[in-house]
Amino acid sequence: DAGVTQSPTHLIKTRGQQVTLRCSPKSGHDTVSWYQQALGQGPQFIFQYYEEEERQRGNFPDRFSGHQFPNYSSELNVNALLLGDSALYLCASSRMGQGHYNSPLHFGNGTRLTVT
Amino acid sequence: GQNIDQPTEMTATEGAIVQINCTYQTSGFNGLFWYQQHAGEAPTFLSYNVLDGLEEKGRFSSFLSRSKGYSYLLLKELQMKDSASYLCAVVDSNYQLIWGAGTKLIIKP
Repeated sequence: DAGVTQSPTHLIKTRGQQVTLRCSPKSGHDTVSWYQQALGQGPQFIFQYYEEEERQRGNFPDRFSGHQFPNYSSELNVNALLLGDSALYLCASSRMGQGHYNSPLHFGNGTRLTVT
Repeated sequence: GQNIDQPTEMTATEGAIVQINCTYQTSGFNGLFWYQQHAGEAPTFLSYNVLDGLEEKGRFSSFLSRSKGYSYLLLKELQMKDSASYLCAVVDSNYQLIWGAGTKLIIKP
């Protein structure tokens, strides 16, 4: 049973470029959340996708956008990259439903993005 | 604003007991999670508390006091593999997870 998989594992981009990160949720999960984690900090919530729609969004600018596909996989897109976007980007999957908020998140190993 | 406070770093000895505290001020409360994150790896679920009291799970226990906005994670019989960051996260009134910065736990032989 595959867990959450993310690609690529590492990425180096220059300022102003655009990047797309990918995530496949754990089998049986239908909800994908994206987080940004700076070094030495806790994860910061970017947004959550369920039924191919953005359901919740954290305090991130419109440069951060996403998509969820019918097979529940998801992409995170970041436009006009800034140096401050350098971080570990984590994808987490869960199962929506009654009491979903108390379902533990299953995280992927993340994509380490470096913007130079 | 919403705030979760945890100590930045703690050091303990192999075989000992350590308590990692977490205090929170959030808009509403729908539960509190503890996650473990080894360096360079994904966070993994440890515990979830929504009612006051102590939840025990093997060597790890988690305590919650909603009236005090306080939780702790208790690790017993510490092993070297317990060296990791421990993240406290609260589900707020919008059912969003608000994360603390994490506590880096260093275990010494």
